[in-house]
Amino acid sequence: DAGVIQSPRHEVTEMGQEVTLRCKPISGHDYLFWYRQTMMRGLELLIYFNNNVPIDDSGMPEDRFSAKMPNASFSTLKIQPSEPRDSAVYFCASNARDSFTIYFGEGSWLTVV
Amino acid sequence: GEDVEQSLFLSVREGDSSVINCTYTDSSSTYLYWYKQEPGAGLQLLTYIFSNMDMKQDQRLTVLLNKKDKHLSLRIADTQTGDSAIYFCAESFTGTASKLTFGTGTRLQVTL
Repeated sequence: DAGVIQSPRHEVTEMGQEVTLRCKPISGHDYLFWYRQTMMRGLELLIYFNNNVPIDDSGMPEDRFSAKMPNASFSTLKIQPSEPRDSAVYFCASNARDSFTIYFGEGSWLTVV
Repeated sequence: GEDVEQSLFLSVREGDSSVINCTYTDSSSTYLYWYKQEPGAGLQLLTYIFSNMDMKQDQRLTVLLNKKDKHLSLRIADTQTGDSAIYFCAESFTGTASKLTFGTGTRLQVTL
């Protein structure tokens, strides 16, 4: 299996632009998670889905952030408009219902200038 | 609360044992994990332990859990330069497929 696939790996964008991060979970996994990693705040859970349905979005920082999962094999995290403080590594992760193992993607490294 | 704390940095010599410590505050944690993050990479699950266990060993890795003190440790025997990374402990409360609360991470530096 190819693992959790994220794109883009790196993105540099200007403040005010829209950013879309993409994730393909491991086939057959029921849960999908979006995490953000920064030096100041460490790893934070933003939102997670179960069977494509958002379960907990309490970690989404503000209305500029939105996440969707239109089908079992694809999810997006969108930031509109982006701000410099959004600069971070965004990780997507997935796991199967009866598994203790959450698999992480390689991350999307976002820089907003 | 859901605070998970770790020391920020640990330096050991190649061949020595490393012990990375973690404390958590929520006694209802059911599963505790150790993840490894190499530079520029995602998180890799190393091992996990159920809250009803005291110890788990997996090759060079030994996990010790002290529920009374809410203390978790990861011991790496015969530490190698390839073990240099950031190590995160994490806890979950409902077991499988649950969201994780991560610690602050401990950067392990292995010197020759």
